[in-house]
Amino acid sequence: RKEVEQDPGPFNVPEGATVAFNCTYSNSASQSFFWYRQDCRKEPKLLMSVYSSGNEDGRFTAQLNRASQYISLLIRDSKLSDSATYLCVVPQGGKLIFGQGTELSVKP
Amino acid sequence: SQTIHQWPATLVQPVGSPLSLECTVEGTSNPNLYWYRQAAGRGLQLLFYSVGIGQISSEVPQNLSASRPQDRQFILSSKKLLLSDSGFYLCAWTLGNDYEQYFGPGTRLTVT
Repeated sequence: RKEVEQDPGPFNVPEGATVAFNCTYSNSASQSFFWYRQDCRKEPKLLMSVYSSGNEDGRFTAQLNRASQYISLLIRDSKLSDSATYLCVVPQGGKLIFGQGTELSVKP
Repeated sequence: SQTIHQWPATLVQPVGSPLSLECTVEGTSNPNLYWYRQAAGRGLQLLFYSVGIGQISSEVPQNLSASRPQDRQFILSSKKLLLSDSGFYLCAWTLGNDYEQYFGPGTRLTVT
């Protein structure tokens, strides 16, 4: 099992749609998790941190299922500006392990 | 507020040439510093990290090296570039045990 594994993309959705990404991790001892957003040819930027069962910030909701070792990111009412690659990140051994990323394309 | 700088933004170098990429952080002290590489269409690969001046940990054996001559300066080097060194190089920082990392704008390296 890969340390961090994400849904393969790309996800192509219309504006206003709700879309969800899943991420599984192998290290059951991990306590905190992150979602980063990376625009094309740009650096990743922190989107959300998840330290307990979940976190919500506006249209974005992150949920954590420790028993099944997966994290999800839900985006409601998708905007064109949400188009990007979303990276699931899990700390391990003092370092961050990045997933391969899931590409989202929101169409008008 | 903290800012992180990387230069150059883009670089085209021939195979066998040397490399030096620089990263500096402003507005903080004693950050943990990281070098990542992202190949086209791939995830981020951690190359080196440093918890203090002169302290470098290497994650992947290769023809790259890193140095931290000052608290807020992190340098990635190579004596002879390979074609496989092409990629997007990102520097990041964090404080102490905080896992939230902040990335610089990156250097896009093409080895020809």
